[in-house]
Amino acid sequence: RKEVEQDPGPFNVPEGATVAFNCTYSNSASQSFFWYRQDCRKEPKLLMSVYSSGNEDGRFTAQLNRASQYISLLIRDSKLSDSATYLCVVQAAGNKLTFGGGTRVLVKP
Amino acid sequence: NAGVMQNPRHLVRRRGQEARLRCSPMKGHSHVYWYRQLPEEGLKFMVYLQKENIIDESGMPKERFSAEFPKEGPSILRIQQVVRGDSAAYFCASSPTGLGEKLFFGSGTQLSVL
Repeated sequence: RKEVEQDPGPFNVPEGATVAFNCTYSNSASQSFFWYRQDCRKEPKLLMSVYSSGNEDGRFTAQLNRASQYISLLIRDSKLSDSATYLCVVQAAGNKLTFGGGTRVLVKP
Repeated sequence: NAGVMQNPRHLVRRRGQEARLRCSPMKGHSHVYWYRQLPEEGLKFMVYLQKENIIDESGMPKERFSAEFPKEGPSILRIQQVVRGDSAAYFCASSPTGLGEKLFFGSGTQLSVL
């Protein structure tokens, strides 16, 4: 089983719609969780951290479910500019950061 | 404050040659990570270094690959006797703390092995 798994997609989303996807992780001792965004194989950039209580940043909402070992990302009112690959990142003790394979989102007019 | 600088952006090597990829972290950052991204795949962890120390190299192939982060100068990822399967994008990231929310990536080096 991979350490961090994501549905590769693509998720085809009409502009203005809501899309959500999950990421599962295998190491129950994982401590920190993040969502990164990668455009066209450019460098990944931090989208948001994921906190235990869940957190929201504008149209983006991240949730953590430790019992089931997954995190989720929800995007509301999708924009064309949201088209990208979203990378789930899990950090265990020792600072090793493990990336999922990414979920590709395509927002269409 | 310049970002994470990787060079070269593109590197072409013939099979059997050596490839050296350089990464200059952001100023004040002492933690460096190297990742490899194959076509249509995600980022695969290779190695995590702090100044003069390899902290975690669990993602490094056992042979031909090495990494260093000297006291002075950039971090170097070295691939000896390259093969076609080494063709990939290699990303370096740096952090002041080693924590994920303070991780900044360079633009990557695209290695092509002919």
